Amino acid sequence: SQTIHQWPATLVQPVGSPLSLECTVEGTSNPNLYWYRQAAGRGLQLLFYSVGIGQISSEVPQNLSASRPQDRQFILSSKKLLLSDSGFYLCAWSVMRRDTEAFFGQGTRLTVV
Amino acid sequence: SQQGEEDPQALSIQEGENATMNCSYKTSINNLQWYRQNSGRGLVHLILIRSNEREKHSGRLRVTLDTSKKSSSLLITASRAADTASYFCATCGSGTYKYIFGTGTRLKVLA
Repeated sequence: SQTIHQWPATLVQPVGSPLSLECTVEGTSNPNLYWYRQAAGRGLQLLFYSVGIGQISSEVPQNLSASRPQDRQFILSSKKLLLSDSGFYLCAWSVMRRDTEAFFGQGTRLTVV
Repeated sequence: SQQGEEDPQALSIQEGENATMNCSYKTSINNLQWYRQNSGRGLVHLILIRSNEREKHSGRLRVTLDTSKKSSSLLITASRAADTASYFCATCGSGTYKYIFGTGTRLKVLA
C-alpha cells in the first residue's frame, strides 16, 4: 500500500533562517507531487506541483522553492524565512491518471518568529 | 489561486440532522472532489464525481454536480458528532493534474 511521509510535524523558525521540509511517498512510482499551504481557518493554496524528477511548476511567486531530487521525494525550501511564511504546509501525491484523488500527508505547522 | 467558493463558511447542526454544503467553481473541469479535514490534520478524500456525472452516492454522502452552473453540493445525511470537520471541494481541470481547492466549510455537529 502507498504511504506518504511528511516531516517535521511542527517547526518554529526565526525570521531570516532557512527552511527545508521533506516529503516522501512509498509504494508507488512516478507520482504527481504537490505542496500546499493553508493559512489559519482558510482553504488550501497550491504552491508547487511536479509531474516528474526535476519538473517543478510554481503556482505562486514567493519566498519559497521546491525540488524533486528523486522520483518519490519532494522538498520545500526557503533561503530566508519571512513572517508571512507561517502556516500549515501539506504535501500530497496522486497517480498520473485522470479522475483520481490526491493523498495528503499530515502536514507541517510552521511558525516563523 | 483558489478555484472556488464554498458556502456556508460555517455550519452548526444537531446530531441526526442533514448537512448540505455548496461549492462553486470558475473554469471547465474533468472532475470535482470533496475532502474532509479534521483540525490540524491532512485532508482525506471522500468522493469524486466526474464532469459527465450528475449525482453520486457513498454511504451517507450524496454529491451533485451541475456543470452548467459550475456548482456542486455535498449532503451528509444523519450527521454524527464524528462528522465535525472542515469540508473542501477541489477541482481538477481539463489537461491538468492540479487540484485546486475551495475555501471550505467548517461543520460542527452537536451531540
